[in-house]
Amino acid sequence: KNEVEQSPQNLTAQEGEFITINCSYSVGISALHWLQQHPGGGIVSLFMLSSGKKKHGRLIATINIQEKHSSLHITASHPRDSAVYICAVRGNTDKLIFGTGTRLQVFP
Amino acid sequence: EAGVAQSPRYKIIEKRQSVAFWCNPISGHATLYWYQQILGQGPKLLIQFQNNGVVDDSQLPKDRFSAERLKGVDSTLKIQPAKLEDSAVYLCASSFGPNTIYFGEGSWLTVV
Repeated sequence: KNEVEQSPQNLTAQEGEFITINCSYSVGISALHWLQQHPGGGIVSLFMLSSGKKKHGRLIATINIQEKHSSLHITASHPRDSAVYICAVRGNTDKLIFGTGTRLQVFP
Repeated sequence: EAGVAQSPRYKIIEKRQSVAFWCNPISGHATLYWYQQILGQGPKLLIQFQNNGVVDDSQLPKDRFSAERLKGVDSTLKIQPAKLEDSAVYLCASSFGPNTIYFGEGSWLTVV
């Protein structure tokens, strides 16, 4: 079993839909990152969370430390949101542990 | 602020050939990482540098992979000889603290 599990693995949506991507982890962490990877390969950091909730534009990230669970929400999704979204946790050894990603496609 | 620079962006080589990737981190970032990302998987850490010293290279296949960061700034990752299973994106990242990380665009390697 992977230390970081994401669901769903693949997600398709119509433009305007509300999207939720989930991340569960089994190790103690100091922080959790949500990352976005476009087809070209580069990765952009969207959020770093250690507790609570953060919002940036149409993106919202939440974390529940007790339940070892985080969610990434996208409101009013748009085709340009199509990408792979990766959850990564920084464990107690300071190493980043990555999930396998959720591939999102938003159709007009 | 300039981001993490990587080159080349794309490389196709035959198996048993060698290849080198270069990374220039964000100025002032002491920590530099090389990750390997195989299609459909999350990135896997190959090596982590703190300035010019190696912090973690436990998952680096040292029989064929090598990396250096001689002056504590830019870094090269070399594969010699390459195998088919080395086809992947090689991501360089840098950070200045434990909770920040910035990634480059990646170097795509195809071994045929």
